Amino acid sequence: LAKTTQPISMDSYEGQEVNITCSHNNIATNDYITWYQQFPSQGPRFIIQGYKTKVTNEVASLFIPADRKSSTLSLPRVSLSDTAVYYCLVGDWNSGNTPLVFGKGTRLSVIA
Amino acid sequence: GAVVSQHPSRVICKSGTSVKIECRSLDFQATTMFWYRQFPKQSLMLMATSNEGSKATYEQGVEKDKFLINHASLTLSTLTVTSAHPEDSSFYICSARALTSGKWAQYFGPGTRLLVL
Repeated sequence: LAKTTQPISMDSYEGQEVNITCSHNNIATNDYITWYQQFPSQGPRFIIQGYKTKVTNEVASLFIPADRKSSTLSLPRVSLSDTAVYYCLVGDWNSGNTPLVFGKGTRLSVIA
Repeated sequence: GAVVSQHPSRVICKSGTSVKIECRSLDFQATTMFWYRQFPKQSLMLMATSNEGSKATYEQGVEKDKFLINHASLTLSTLTVTSAHPEDSSFYICSARALTSGKWAQYFGPGTRLLVL
């Protein structure tokens, strides 16, 4: 599985847009990029997944450049409740039995 | 999305006892489930891959005789921590893969907090 690199932590004020970038230089052709959010004492929660270009859902956008060696999770107008750890994962999940291997994640702190 | 549940949500036990944690896929079938462990302020560490009807595959450094995994049905996997010791105190999380909109996505349970006294 491709190794990922993210900032250890980020701070933001409420109402701002937050962009978390993840580097995955060794991403393979069949790999997808998936982001998870984890609150303390809870299991990770799926946020968004993409393969290339841009993906948007009701909570976030995911920007992936043409070379796919990095990706950026964009959270619009964050609130205090967005304080969490965000994990970027890369892997070929066309099969059902390849596990997700987590990196260190980015600890986002949103302050009033 | 698909729902994964765990039971119990937290457990406190005495050193030397065994603890069983259940992981269920509520609205889908999962031939494969995964078990993770997470210590405070750290990331999730994959412990093992649980395969329905066959033996689990353990990650390097994880003792298979200590962490017994049984995947007896397509919706249930259990992790038993045998002869638990205080160093086994951790947050245990299971997950399962489901096919959603033609793509595989991995869904996680809420976790089980184990405290060994």
